[in-house]
Amino acid sequence: QQQVKQSPQSLIVQKGGISIINCAYENTAFDYFPWYQQFPGKGPALLIAIRPDVSEKKEGRFTISFNKSAKQFSLHIMDSQPGDSATYFCAASLTPKETSGSRLTFGEGTQLTVNP
Amino acid sequence: DTEVTQTPKHLVMGMTNKKSLKCEQHMGHRAMYWYKQKAKKPPELMFVYSYEKLSINESVPSRFSPECPNSSLLNLHLHALQPEDSALYLCASSRRQGLTFTEAFFGQGTRLTVV
Repeated sequence: QQQVKQSPQSLIVQKGGISIINCAYENTAFDYFPWYQQFPGKGPALLIAIRPDVSEKKEGRFTISFNKSAKQFSLHIMDSQPGDSATYFCAASLTPKETSGSRLTFGEGTQLTVNP
Repeated sequence: DTEVTQTPKHLVMGMTNKKSLKCEQHMGHRAMYWYKQKAKKPPELMFVYSYEKLSINESVPSRFSPECPNSSLLNLHLHALQPEDSALYLCASSRRQGLTFTEAFFGQGTRLTVV
């Protein structure tokens, strides 16, 4: 119930191409879906996030598509650049009680390589 | 300012040592978190503090002891660790939005090596 499944495990894209990473979840109580970008030796950086009542959100070259009925969401990186090469994690957030903070469940990660 | 600051960046400790990891944020976030990340794996939640009270402990061994002295600071006290505890320890914070906490921001982490 708490799992988030992410695919692919690794992705190689040419510069200027579109990178697409997919995630699926089971628990319909998740209330927030962020994507994180992580470079080696650094902490995860919040890229973009969406709530389940929205089907799409775009920020610059990054777009989240969200399909509530299918319990799936995806990250699209347009015009991919070598500097985008990193590990990307999808996550799903659940706030158990009003004042308890949230519990983030992460996917296993996708290693993106953008070739020049 | 969306910064979460962690110190130290690197720490090497023996199995009999006592050390502490520190985390600070000045974004007014009322939830703070400790995560542990092993190489090539996603972060795993350890503890959640909400309004300076421990609200979630993910069955973490007692050799890890969290502390939240005030709304901006979070510590993780370490004692009698094992080599398998070597990992990247990440602090995060998030703000309240309605009935949920959103937009968790992570620090750069402390790379811990237990020898």
